Amino acid sequence: DSGVTQTPKHLITATGQRVTLRCSPRSGDLSVYWYQQSLDQGLQFLIHYYNGEERAKGNILERFSAQQFPDLHSELNLSSLELGDSALYFCASIPRGENEQFFGPGTRLTVL
Amino acid sequence: LAKTTQPISMDSYEGQEVNITCSHNNIATNDYITWYQQFPSQGPRFIIQGYKTKVTNEVASLFIPADRKSSTLSLPRVSLSDTAVYYCLVGSRYNNNDMRFGAGTRLTVKP
Repeated sequence: DSGVTQTPKHLITATGQRVTLRCSPRSGDLSVYWYQQSLDQGLQFLIHYYNGEERAKGNILERFSAQQFPDLHSELNLSSLELGDSALYFCASIPRGENEQFFGPGTRLTVL
Repeated sequence: LAKTTQPISMDSYEGQEVNITCSHNNIATNDYITWYQQFPSQGPRFIIQGYKTKVTNEVASLFIPADRKSSTLSLPRVSLSDTAVYYCLVGSRYNNNDMRFGAGTRLTVKP
């Protein structure tokens, strides 16, 4: 158990819909990273938040957005969903002053 | 962020030592080298991290030459359960805004 939690574990929805994925970092970790991993693909970095502020953007679509709240949990919002958005979505947190990432168990999103 | 290059896949047999090399020609002075292991449908898991020379822990060793332009993850006496994807990541401890994983190396251990 990494200490990072993600909900829900599985999500099945239809094209055109909007979903919200939630991530709670390890206690005390200020950084949250979001990644997308499609079937048999590598990890695609989406976005990084640190203590509520966006720090870096990767390959994140305009239909996707994220935020980090004062309690440090983060949400990834995916809208106008397409079949190609079906993937595993991971979040990770990093202790301050370190760069070892602790990954959550992921949310498997299926768009039908 | 330093770009990394790894072999796409490797095969090995149980009990053998496996060495996976990662190239990172543009590594910066403050960058550390970190290796992760990922099983299907699970999040990556930290294996080992190093800055220079050699680091060893209970599961692996990491060899880093003096120029630090490459690194080698060594897994001693692999078992079937070591079948996974291994990622090399290079980045600074002090500026970790952007974490970009490469394609990783898919290791298959055969009986």
